[in-house]
Amino acid sequence: SYELTQPPSVSVAPGQTARITCSGDALPKQYAYWYQQKPGQAPVLVIYKDSERPSGIPERFSGSSSGTTVTLTISGVQAEDEADYYCQSADSSGHGVVFGGGTKLTVL
Amino acid sequence: QLQLQESGPGLVKPSETLSLTCAVSGGSINNSIYYWGWIRQPPGKGLEWIGSIYYSGRTYYNPSLMSRVTISVDTSKNQFSLKLSSVTAADTAVYYCASLNRYSGTYHFDYWGQGTLVTVSS
Repeated sequence: SYELTQPPSVSVAPGQTARITCSGDALPKQYAYWYQQKPGQAPVLVIYKDSERPSGIPERFSGSSSGTTVTLTISGVQAEDEADYYCQSADSSGHGVVFGGGTKLTVL
Repeated sequence: QLQLQESGPGLVKPSETLSLTCAVSGGSINNSIYYWGWIRQPPGKGLEWIGSIYYSGRTYYNPSLMSRVTISVDTSKNQFSLKLSSVTAADTAVYYCASLNRYSGTYHFDYWGQGTLVTVSS
């Protein structure tokens, strides 16, 4: 079955830049989406269609894509950005949904 | 904006069927830009897509759960439902319902329910 691979954890000091990657064979053909999830809360979309930012999401969140890897970049990380981040895409059929395993972002 | 609310038993016995309903408000479940999905998250673990349904009744399921899952829609009540049969402790999770936006080439979950914890235990 199709999988998206993320690093389990990323740590960064406040004010620095955090980069979280997500790899999958179908990513050159399917868009990627990124969600932020804080403890006890439902996920919140922070990036859609690889690099688009929904209204209300701070500009420090950005996304990019290169081949089979997409990257979520958080510039000038703040303490409030500490959370789990999940990538999501469609499978090769375009109808199934796949989530990455999630990355815990720790703000040192 | 859309609001989604899950409801159903919080405790299910092993081998029985888990049943949840998601009520949609603030918009019509017949809206053609949306699929309607179920996602679950075991305690301390990641998100797992269970399946999705269109208002017409067309369904898409996670291959790993397909043999045990049924998702249905009731357009008259503006809600959709999940049934997961033959549950085990491994099915203990927070279950979310969400709207899957497919407008203009996108395919993301934009509105989520608050989630409901379902525990499988005797």
